[in-house]
Amino acid sequence: DVKVTQSSRYLVKRTGEKVFLECVQDMDHENMFWYRQDPGLGLRLIYFSYDVKMKEKGDIPEGYSVSREKKERFSLILESASTNQTSMYLCASSLLADNEQFFGPGTRLTVL
Amino acid sequence: LAKTTQPISMDSYEGQEVNITCSHNNIATNDYITWYQQFPSQGPRFIIQGYKTKVTNEVASLFIPADRKSSTLSLPRVSLSDTAVYYCSQTGRRALTFGSGTRLQVQP
Repeated sequence: DVKVTQSSRYLVKRTGEKVFLECVQDMDHENMFWYRQDPGLGLRLIYFSYDVKMKEKGDIPEGYSVSREKKERFSLILESASTNQTSMYLCASSLLADNEQFFGPGTRLTVL
Repeated sequence: LAKTTQPISMDSYEGQEVNITCSHNNIATNDYITWYQQFPSQGPRFIIQGYKTKVTNEVASLFIPADRKSSTLSLPRVSLSDTAVYYCSQTGRRALTFGSGTRLQVQP
């Protein structure tokens, strides 16, 4: 089974802090994705990566950056956390961009 | 900009067939339509994917008309364990758009 793991289930940070969310997949997938999930808004794509060191902006990239130095690892970075970034963050991977995506369990981030 | 729209919630009873329809505004020629199921405190899980006409697997069927402007997820004979949020999405080489989710509540 494909496994996507995220570094934390719950995280509490203060406004202005730099926050790193880590995601690791174990199936040699080419594509990795970061979403945020908010009530009533569904899943919104922040960034995705289709290869090592490659990245593309999704629908809501403002305030975020990403890093993919190794194929299995995709990091989401909040350069200066703000309260409106309090959300559930979901990582996913897929073999091809239009294939089914495998999701991690999510990280619930609270910014105070 | 691609946009998917689906009902906010639906109610059903055990043993009934449930159909959830999603509208796909501006779906691109190469986009696939994919449905996911999500339980509380878990990430979404793949249910079914299709391009057009009908696709069936062991848990659901997916109906996509010729114009591809909508899709219908059909869950036969639901049980209490099917209570979840269901997301439709359209996915292509560079485009991934999810609907806002349909919360299905199955009653005994």
